[in-house]
Amino acid sequence: DAKTTQPPSMDCAEGRAANLPCNHSTISGNEYVYWYRQIHSQGPQYIIHGLKNNETNEMASLIITEDRKSSTLILPHATLRDTAVYYCIVRVVSGNTPLVFGKGTRLSVIA
Amino acid sequence: GAVVSQHPSWVICKSGTSVKIECRSLDFQATTMFWYRQFPKQSLMLMATSNEGSKATYEQGVEKDKFLINHASLTLSTLTVTSAHPEDSSFYICSAKAGSSYNEQFFGPGTRLTVL
Repeated sequence: DAKTTQPPSMDCAEGRAANLPCNHSTISGNEYVYWYRQIHSQGPQYIIHGLKNNETNEMASLIITEDRKSSTLILPHATLRDTAVYYCIVRVVSGNTPLVFGKGTRLSVIA
Repeated sequence: GAVVSQHPSWVICKSGTSVKIECRSLDFQATTMFWYRQFPKQSLMLMATSNEGSKATYEQGVEKDKFLINHASLTLSTLTVTSAHPEDSSFYICSAKAGSSYNEQFFGPGTRLTVL
């Protein structure tokens, strides 16, 4: 079973920031928070991951609360091509533990 | 990021036939590969985990005799759907991981299987 909770869908205006929340209240100390997205009929694409510090890369920013029970993925300037299902996943980074996907959030970027 | 390819990208077959899907890591050696299945409007469901040179480990409810997985080399894993039926129609996605510690999981583009 997925250990995260996400809203099923969100809308965002093109050019605005998209803030996608994720609840992971049962996260363990050795689990990272990963974000992937899946554009229709494609394989998932890695976005970003973090343990406890906020992270930023060329695609997005990840804000993790101090208690690590929730996080927010921020797409600073959403474009139509960011329309996808976004998955928040917690995973222990050791051994061969696979990514287990929940239902994700369907983000629709609107012109 | 690393590139994972799948072949074919889509396949249509008759009920009762077998279909083989290939997954290749193009620019890295994948010690572990994962196979997922995705039905329309649903999330990805993990089917099995395979390590190079070892037998695959299947998730509960996945028939190992129906979904044959071979991971004979560090760059190739195959999934064979044997005696396919219409209910096996789905989007099959492979994923590859290098090493056993802190390494990302990279996904292939998926294979759309339609069984008539």
